[in-house]
Amino acid sequence: QKEVEQNSGPLSVPEGAIASLNCTYSDRVSQSFFWYRQYSGKSPELIMSIYSNGDKEDGRFTAQLNKASQYVSLLIRDSQPSDSATYLCAVNNFGNEKLTFGTGTRLTIIP
Amino acid sequence: DAGITQSPRHKVTETGTPVTLRCHQTENHRYMYWYRQDPGHGLRLIHYSYGVKDTDKGEVSDGYSVSRSKTEDFLLTLESATSSQTSVYFCAISDTGMQAFFGQGTRLTVV
Repeated sequence: QKEVEQNSGPLSVPEGAIASLNCTYSDRVSQSFFWYRQYSGKSPELIMSIYSNGDKEDGRFTAQLNKASQYVSLLIRDSQPSDSATYLCAVNNFGNEKLTFGTGTRLTIIP
Repeated sequence: DAGITQSPRHKVTETGTPVTLRCHQTENHRYMYWYRQDPGHGLRLIHYSYGVKDTDKGEVSDGYSVSRSKTEDFLLTLESATSSQTSVYFCAISDTGMQAFFGQGTRLTVV
């Protein structure tokens, strides 16, 4: 079992709708969770971080964490064509100074 | 790109030759990382550093070595390049060992 798993997609969402991206992780001691956005040919860009159970909102983005079920999700409201990218989930364990990444979900927003 | 510069940005080299990639940061962050990104595998950690002269292996370290003689520079060396090392290489930095910020990437082709 991979440490961090994501559905590779592609996930197609109409413009203006909510895009929902999911990530599961295997290590129960995982403490910190991050979402990165990566446009084709570009480097990953940090868009959200979440450390405790519940929701965290930042503009059109909401990160959701459920440690009991070992999943973290990213919701993108009012999806725009500029949101079309690959979204990477990353996990960090307490006392471990490195991130483990999922393989990413490719999101396409359809105008 | 959070004060991170990777060089070169593109390189084509022949099998069996040594190659060194450079990562330079101006943020004075403690942690520096080298990842490679390949289709279907996502970002995989090669080596990382938690201080000057302090380095450790990641999950795909075979065939790679690193050095960090100054806070701002982290070098990745392929001792004898192989075709399987054709990839996009990303350097990342972090001040806390949790969220990381990425450089622009180096596209390496081994022929």
